[in-house]
Amino acid sequence: QKEVEQNSGPLSVPEGAIASLNCTYSDRGSQSFFWYRQYSGKSPELIMFIYSNGDKEDGRFTAQLNKASQYVSLLIRDSQPSDSATYLCAAGNAGGTSYGKLTFGQGTILTVHP
Amino acid sequence: DAGVIQSPRHEVTEMGQEVTLRCKPISGHDYLFWYRQTMMRGLELLIYFNNNVPIDDSGMPEDRFSAKMPNASFSTLKIQPSEPRDSAVYFCASSPSGAKNIQYFGAGTRLSVL
Repeated sequence: QKEVEQNSGPLSVPEGAIASLNCTYSDRGSQSFFWYRQYSGKSPELIMFIYSNGDKEDGRFTAQLNKASQYVSLLIRDSQPSDSATYLCAAGNAGGTSYGKLTFGQGTILTVHP
Repeated sequence: DAGVIQSPRHEVTEMGQEVTLRCKPISGHDYLFWYRQTMMRGLELLIYFNNNVPIDDSGMPEDRFSAKMPNASFSTLKIQPSEPRDSAVYFCASSPSGAKNIQYFGAGTRLSVL
C-alpha cells in the first residue's frame, strides 16, 4: 500500500509564529509533492507544489523536500488566524501506470490563535 | 475559467434510492478524478479517467458504485442502491496532461443517505 502520512495534530500556534507541517511517503517512485489547504466545509485548494530536493518559497510558505528521507514539509511564517485550516499533503507518480494519480495524507488541522 | 463544476451541492436521499452526482471538468483538462471524503477515512480516490477512459477504479468501494465519462466535459458518479454509510462529501477534480499531477477540485457534493 503506497501511503502518505502526516503528523495528525491538531497543531496550535500563536499568531505570528512559524507553523511546521510534516509528511512522509512510502513510494520511492513519487516524484511530485503537493500541499493543499482545506477550510472547513470547502474543497481542497492547492497552495504549494515541489518536485526537486531542497526548499521552495512562495510568500509566507516554504515547502521542503528530502527524497532520500522521503520527507516533505510545509513551513508557514508569520502565521495568521486565516491560515487555520486542514493541510493535506499529497504525492504523485509522474510516470508509469500511476501517472496523474495523487495519494493524499489524512491531513493536519492547524489552528492559529490570536 | 469557471473551474470544476459539480452538481448538486447537497443531496439528501433515503436508503435504497439511486443517487447521481455530476461533474464538469475544466476545459482542456485530460484527467478527471472522483474522490470521497469522510472524517474517518480522509480523502479517498474512487476512480479516475484519462481522455474519457477509466484508468483506475480500484478505489470504488463496491458494485453499487459506477462512474462514466461520456465526453470530455461531463462525468457522473452513480450509487445504486444508496446506503447510510455512503454519506460523505464527494469531490471531482481535473488535471491537465503534463502538469505534473496538479489537480483542481470542484466544490463537492455533500451526500446524506438517511
